[in-house]
Amino acid sequence: KNEVEQSPQNLTAQEGEFITINCSYSVGISALHWLQQHPGGGIVSLFMLSSGKKKHGRLIATINIQEKHSSLHITASHPRDSAVYICAVRLDAGGTSYGKLTFGQGTILTVHP
Amino acid sequence: GAGVSQTPSNKVTEKGKYVELRCDPISGHTALYWYRQSLGQGPEFLIYFQGTGAADDSGLPNDRFFAVRPEGSVSTLKIQRTERGDSAVYLCASSLEGNADTQYFGPGTRLTVL
Repeated sequence: KNEVEQSPQNLTAQEGEFITINCSYSVGISALHWLQQHPGGGIVSLFMLSSGKKKHGRLIATINIQEKHSSLHITASHPRDSAVYICAVRLDAGGTSYGKLTFGQGTILTVHP
Repeated sequence: GAGVSQTPSNKVTEKGKYVELRCDPISGHTALYWYRQSLGQGPEFLIYFQGTGAADDSGLPNDRFFAVRPEGSVSTLKIQRTERGDSAVYLCASSLEGNADTQYFGPGTRLTVL
């Protein structure tokens, strides 16, 4: 079992729909990242969370540390949101933590006009 | 530079050959990471540099893989005796320091071993 699991693996939506992508992890972490990867490979960091909720434009990320779960929401989805969304965690190494990330397998999102 | 750059963007080589992949991090970033992403998978950690030293190389799959960062800036990932299974996108990321900072990713180098 992977340390970081995402669901769903594939998601298709119509423009305007509200989208949720889930991430569960099985280890202690010090931070969780949501990343966006467009065709061609470029990765952009969307959020870095250690607790609570963050919002940027139409994107909202939440994390529940006790339940070891995070969600990425996209409101009013648009075809340009089509990409792979990747959840990654920074493991809690007990005081020696650094930025090494462990990644989920990604969620392929396709938003149709 | 404006962001993390990687060269080449694509590399095709034959089984058994030696390849070098280069990463130019954002100026002033002391932490540098190499990751490998196989088709349809999330990236996997290879090695982390803090300054000139490899602070964690636990992700390197075997001794055919080696990476250097001699002056604490540019890094080179070296793969000897390439195998078809080495085919992947090799991603580099840098951050200001190796802790809670956001990592900035390069565009990757797509390596194909024939």
